[in-house]
Amino acid sequence: EAQVTQNPRYLITVTGKKLTVTCSQNMNHEYMSWYRQDPGLGLRQIYYSMNVEVTDKGDVPEGYKVSRKEKRNFPLILESPSPNQTSLYFCASSLRQGGNEQFFGPGTRLTVL
Amino acid sequence: GENVEQHPSTLSVQEGDSAVIKCTYSDSASNYFPWYKQELGKRPQLIIDIRSNVGEKKDQRIAVTLNKTAKHFSLHITETQPEDSAVYFCAADESGGQKLVFGQGTRLTINP
Repeated sequence: EAQVTQNPRYLITVTGKKLTVTCSQNMNHEYMSWYRQDPGLGLRQIYYSMNVEVTDKGDVPEGYKVSRKEKRNFPLILESPSPNQTSLYFCASSLRQGGNEQFFGPGTRLTVL
Repeated sequence: GENVEQHPSTLSVQEGDSAVIKCTYSDSASNYFPWYKQELGKRPQLIIDIRSNVGEKKDQRIAVTLNKTAKHFSLHITETQPEDSAVYFCAADESGGQKLVFGQGTRLTINP
């Protein structure tokens, strides 16, 4: 089944404890992206990747890191999480950049205490 | 960069009536305008999209219109049904399609 998966789905952590949210797609998509969703703010892009080893900042990259060592995986890293990073996070992928449907993962609800 | 404004933030309509959600964008170079539907507790899913060389696109009860001169586009849902209740997001591309900028979302409620 073609899909985007994320893990974990739910995470409660404390300030400063490094964490990684994994994202994987099995559709051989070139483009992958991370968004955070907050009430009243819609979906805001954190980072995106147009292909392996090619990543760039979105609109809200502060406090996050990403890597794209393999085409299928695009992990989101929070080196020192803070309470303002409490949010619902979505990974998405599309065949390539520019005018292609983005397929979203199921979401990761993160709470930073 | 691109800025997308979406209105209204909430919309309540009677079942069977029509619903319209409007978005404006700032980047005249934008060429791709998708609409996503997010049901409660679920992931966003594409329901319809339109490209800049087309003024209108329709898929059964859903239609999208685009006015490039005015830089706005709208989602129209006719004969609304309870399963249309969801949050709807518009979006516009930026930087040659490298990024997708979303509107703030509209929570649509269909009253039986």
